[in-house]
Amino acid sequence: GQNIDQPTEMTATEGAIVQINCTYQTSGFNGLFWYQQHAGEAPTFLSYNVLDGLEEKGRFSSFLSRSKGYSYLLLKELQMKDSASYLCAVMDSNYQLIWGAGTKLIIKP
Amino acid sequence: DAMVIQNPRYQVTQFGKPVTLSCSQTLNHNVMYWYQQKSSQAPKLLFHYYDKDFNNEADTPDNFQSRRPNTSFCFLDIRSPGLGDAAMYLCATSRDAGGTDTQYFGPGTRLTVL
Repeated sequence: GQNIDQPTEMTATEGAIVQINCTYQTSGFNGLFWYQQHAGEAPTFLSYNVLDGLEEKGRFSSFLSRSKGYSYLLLKELQMKDSASYLCAVMDSNYQLIWGAGTKLIIKP
Repeated sequence: DAMVIQNPRYQVTQFGKPVTLSCSQTLNHNVMYWYQQKSSQAPKLLFHYYDKDFNNEADTPDNFQSRRPNTSFCFLDIRSPGLGDAAMYLCATSRDAGGTDTQYFGPGTRLTVL
């Protein structure tokens, strides 16, 4: 079966750095997405990785290792508004998005 | 601004009373999706349209139907809502169905079933 694993919840301090991991097992691979979802709102697109390596976009970076079936989202200089769920999703060989359940990130002052 | 719009944002219905949720997009995207998301769970794809081609997920209950009368609009019909259908319903679009085509989400409709 297809599976996306990510931690259920993480806590970090304002101004710090946090890394949210995602491992996947899917039928084929056509890219990995990270979305941010605030409570009660729709997911918003953060990043897309299809090649191995690190993609940096401001305070957020996303890393991919296809051989390990592994990705992480790195958030720097955490702000209170970063409190949200972060969803990892992989596009499989049928171009279907397989979603993780999300990691709830709690930022403390 | 180009966007995905969902109406209403909050919908309350009674057990067994049909309800229709709507989605429109100004992005001129070919693909439209309907997802169901329950609290602390991953979004679950119900169906998607590639232009007018309808694709139903194998485990989507018959209680859920969809219509896409034109490129811009898509509707989700729940024929006889049950208590288990209370959820956030998300509409998304993408330019194409390929790997590099990001899905953009509307704000969602939160459905309550009494």
